[in-house]
Amino acid sequence: TQLLEQSPQFLSIQEGENLTVYCNSSSVFSSLQWYRQEPGEGPVLLVTVVTGGEVKKLKRLTFQFGDARKDSSLHITAAQPGDTGLYLCAGRSNTGKLIFGQGTTLQVKP
Amino acid sequence: DAGVIQSPRHEVTEMGQEVTLRCKPISGHDYLFWYRQTMMRGLELLIYFNNNVPIDDSGMPEDRFSAKMPNASFSTLKIQPSEPRDSAVYFCASSLDRGLNTGELFFGEGSRLTVL
Repeated sequence: TQLLEQSPQFLSIQEGENLTVYCNSSSVFSSLQWYRQEPGEGPVLLVTVVTGGEVKKLKRLTFQFGDARKDSSLHITAAQPGDTGLYLCAGRSNTGKLIFGQGTTLQVKP
Repeated sequence: DAGVIQSPRHEVTEMGQEVTLRCKPISGHDYLFWYRQTMMRGLELLIYFNNNVPIDDSGMPEDRFSAKMPNASFSTLKIQPSEPRDSAVYFCASSLDRGLNTGELFFGEGSRLTVL
């Protein structure tokens, strides 16, 4: 069974701080996605990374896919209260299933 | 353009009762997924369909759970009989391209189920 472990599970920081969320697995994934979920809503896709070592930027968010395609990270620069939410990584298995990590709950205090 | 529509948004029922959750995917999407989300287990894939045909139901917990997709615009997830441990938020998602690499899932707002 392919599993994705996210760390940390919870993160509470002050506005303006930087943070990194990690998504790790012992398995190789054909691609990896990051979703953001707000209370009472479904997850919404932020980015998809496909190539080992790939780096994508979305404003203050930087996503990286590990060289071996087993891990990924999400870095937020100068976090803002609007970044508060649940961040989920999801790996595409060799059978095509999308497997989600447990999520990282981020709270950014003004 | 309407997104994935789920109903009901909230359901409170008693143990032993039948529960039916409904989903209308985005028009034109050919993949439909049912996920369950709990604090303990996160988002778990229960079953997914391609062109109305169930492809993988290995995530369905047990025989009490069943899912159908009679046409391209409607799917149901049924629990009979329901148990307290079924309490969770159930999400339906659809995708235009399962895309072994890049398919984006569009999620509904979820159905929060509480079984007393």
